[in-house]
Amino acid sequence: GNSVTQMEGPVTLSEEAFLTINCTYTATGYPSLFWYVQYPGEGLQLLLKATKADDKGSNKGFEATYRKETTSFHLEKGSVQVSDSAVYFCALILDYGGSQGNLIFGKGTKLSVKP
Amino acid sequence: EAQVTQNPRYLITVTGKKLTVTCSQNMNHEYMSWYRQDPGLGLRQIYYSMNVEVTDKGDVPEGYKVSRKEKRNFPLILESPSPNQTSLYFCASSRWTSGASSRGTQYFGPGTRLLVL
Repeated sequence: GNSVTQMEGPVTLSEEAFLTINCTYTATGYPSLFWYVQYPGEGLQLLLKATKADDKGSNKGFEATYRKETTSFHLEKGSVQVSDSAVYFCALILDYGGSQGNLIFGKGTKLSVKP
Repeated sequence: EAQVTQNPRYLITVTGKKLTVTCSQNMNHEYMSWYRQDPGLGLRQIYYSMNVEVTDKGDVPEGYKVSRKEKRNFPLILESPSPNQTSLYFCASSRWTSGASSRGTQYFGPGTRLLVL
């Protein structure tokens, strides 16, 4: 079936450190890929997305590249800030109707950034 | 301002007492969905709706009901809540007719934290 696997957290970094959160997927079709972020006490919000192989999504200093050959969509940021502390969710969606068209989420990775 | 609103934000209730969590969006989105978030389990979809009067079960529908009588509203109903429904609930909405990228761009409400005693 279709699924998303993220690295387990929590991830704890010092401010200005480099961040990588791994995400791999299994899909029967050709998915679009997403990263969502959930700040403490809030709902999820879209961070970035990519819709085809080799596309790079970017936002707020975060980047992720759609790698079809490795079925991956790893999230990176060169220099994290305390304000980046949140839970990050990788997700995919297939281009079908019905239940196949629902977002499939990974379990989330909690990031804590220390000053 | 484009937004999804949920009410109430916090609710404490007792087993068996029917409750409704409301969800409303102002973006004219076709698609709406309910999720629950539990530690270690991530987000799990309860029900979703692709348009007015069109609803379907997600991964964990047992104990929940929904209705979609208007495009903007998608209430979640717990007819007889039980302690295992204690959770953080999120409503979300998105376009449905514009391809996978739009469908996957979901707008989430702020969440409803429910405690069933």
